[in-house]
Amino acid sequence: GEDVEQSLFLSVREGDSSVINCTYTDSSSTYLYWYKQEPGAGLQLLTYIFSNMDMKQDQRLTVLLNKKDKHLSLRIADTQTGDSAIYFCAESTGTASKLTFGTGTRLQVTL
Amino acid sequence: EAQVTQNPRYLITVTGKKLTVTCSQNMNHEYMSWYRQDPGLGLRQIYYSMNVEVTDKGDVPEGYKVSRKEKRNFPLILESPSPNQTSLYFCASSRDISDPRGAGELFFGEGSRLTVL
Repeated sequence: GEDVEQSLFLSVREGDSSVINCTYTDSSSTYLYWYKQEPGAGLQLLTYIFSNMDMKQDQRLTVLLNKKDKHLSLRIADTQTGDSAIYFCAESTGTASKLTFGTGTRLQVTL
Repeated sequence: EAQVTQNPRYLITVTGKKLTVTCSQNMNHEYMSWYRQDPGLGLRQIYYSMNVEVTDKGDVPEGYKVSRKEKRNFPLILESPSPNQTSLYFCASSRDISDPRGAGELFFGEGSRLTVL
């Protein structure tokens, strides 16, 4: 079945850039998503990228997709303490019932 | 305000005592789903529903039941809870499952932390 993997933990200093990585196995993925989970809350969609794109930028967020290597990354520029959260990548083959989440990466932002 | 509401948010129960976690959404979404979140395992889908009276198993359905009698509600039922069902549970809904982009845009509830002793 589909598999989505992420490293469990990342620590960065405030003001630095954060890069959260994700690998997936399903080559038929059509959309790839990044969700953010703040402490004590549910997940919220941050951004997404269609599989025929290489990059998408949205303010401080940059998503890079290497379809050949099935590698997705989320770069957060000028990381702030409010960015401390768990970040999940997810891949979809086009239907909500087939959305597969990664294990989540806990981002810790230090002063 | 558009939202997905789960109740209870926290629950401690004992093995074998039936319980129901309710989920309600006010966005008229057709698709609803339940997930459990466990450390190191991420989110795993338990059951989902494409519409009223249409439900299907996700990746980890054992020990759970669901029903979808109304569009807005999608309760999760644990008939005989066991300690391995101790977890953080999330209900989610999606606005437009016919649109591949919309299919992945899930709206989540705040979670229900369940402890089974």
